[in-house]
Amino acid sequence: GAVVSQHPSWVICKSGTSVKIECRSLDFQATTMFWYRQFPKQSLMLMATSNEGSKATYEQGVEKDKFLINHASLTLSTLTVTSAHPEDSSFYICSVLPRETQYFGPGTRLLVL
Amino acid sequence: KQEVTQIPAALSVPEGENLVLNCSFTDSAIYNLQWFRQDPGKGLTSLLLIQSSQREQTSGRLNASLDKSSGRSTLYIAASQPGDSATYLCAVGKETSGSRLTFGEGTQLTVNP
Repeated sequence: GAVVSQHPSWVICKSGTSVKIECRSLDFQATTMFWYRQFPKQSLMLMATSNEGSKATYEQGVEKDKFLINHASLTLSTLTVTSAHPEDSSFYICSVLPRETQYFGPGTRLLVL
Repeated sequence: KQEVTQIPAALSVPEGENLVLNCSFTDSAIYNLQWFRQDPGKGLTSLLLIQSSQREQTSGRLNASLDKSSGRSTLYIAASQPGDSATYLCAVGKETSGSRLTFGEGTQLTVNP
């Protein structure tokens, strides 16, 4: 498998601020990482595919200027929620794909007040 | 657009009972299908991966089947235990290597001692 960590695990912020979430692949060099969002009582929705050294690929309906993704190394991808609003409060999870099974991080819970 | 549905949404059973969780998908052109487990507030743990050419996969007390033509998969849990209590998610991968997963909303399982 693969071990994936996320930081922070919990974040509370004021409306209008920006929040950065880190996703690290600890034992696998990930050229691609995936970012998902999960609202309460709903399933995971793929937001974007993070590509090392190039631009991320965003799913339809996801604002690329609001959710900035940087994948500067083979072990780290960051998701920045810019000018966060209460409706951005959610559980954000990243994953890596060493072969054909995706391995997920523990998630980051964001609460925007 | 792929849609994944899981039935039932919630299930409560006594310890020791065998149970079946159901997953259906609308587009049979899938690359693979995965079953995950999610504990409250946590990330996902991969349970079983079935390639589109396979009919079933087994791991311990878990058995997953796939009928691609009818767009259905089942997860069978034998001799359920309280530790099996979690939300079980089904996800289908459309593209090569199983990236870009589409998730169902999950079945919340409670196994009572």
